[in-house]
Amino acid sequence: TQLLEQSPQFLSIQEGENLTVYCNSSSVFSSLQWYRQEPGEGPVLLVTVVTGGEVKKLKRLTFQFGDARKDSSLHITAAQPGDTGLYLCAGVDPMNRDDKIIFGKGTRLHILP
Amino acid sequence: DTGVSQNPRHKITKRGQNVTFRCDPISEHNRLYWYRQTLGQGPEFLTYFQNEAQLEKSRLLSDRFSAERPKGSFSTLEIQRTEQGDSAMYLCASSRSRDEQYFGPGTRLTVT
Repeated sequence: TQLLEQSPQFLSIQEGENLTVYCNSSSVFSSLQWYRQEPGEGPVLLVTVVTGGEVKKLKRLTFQFGDARKDSSLHITAAQPGDTGLYLCAGVDPMNRDDKIIFGKGTRLHILP
Repeated sequence: DTGVSQNPRHKITKRGQNVTFRCDPISEHNRLYWYRQTLGQGPEFLTYFQNEAQLEKSRLLSDRFSAERPKGSFSTLEIQRTEQGDSAMYLCASSRSRDEQYFGPGTRLTVT
């Protein structure tokens, strides 16, 4: 069973469009992290959301943590080809006492020029 | 460059051989994680160190896998008697807290 479910699995849209991807769980997380990964490279941390209901902005990217801290979303405004990549959410496994980090399977985003 | 480094970047080995990967974390980071990632999947947790102590080891890891972090600095991941199913990207990350991780570029292992 995947503790962190990401949707959609794949998304291909035209440059300039807006999009939202989701990270959902039935468990409460103390925080959630978002990463972007390009082929052949390690993931790069974009943001960590900590407080329920928190909204963080990173240029055209807006991250939100659900009020109940069970879900998070990433909204991209006016997508650009440079946004192409695998978007991963991650958090400390709430079933584990030793800060084990778990990841979702990711959303693979492709922005068409 | 003061980021996380991993060596080698690529490794091709024959089934049954042993391989060892190295990870050099960001110098002030006390936490170090190893993950495995296959195509189309997110990283799967393998093991985690806080300083030199190995705090967690995934049930995914068989007895053929072992990791060390002597003196709480660099870490090595060894796979003995490699199998084709071990082919994957092996990622290392380091951090100061549980709310962030900084990844290296990974070691891509191909077992033929």
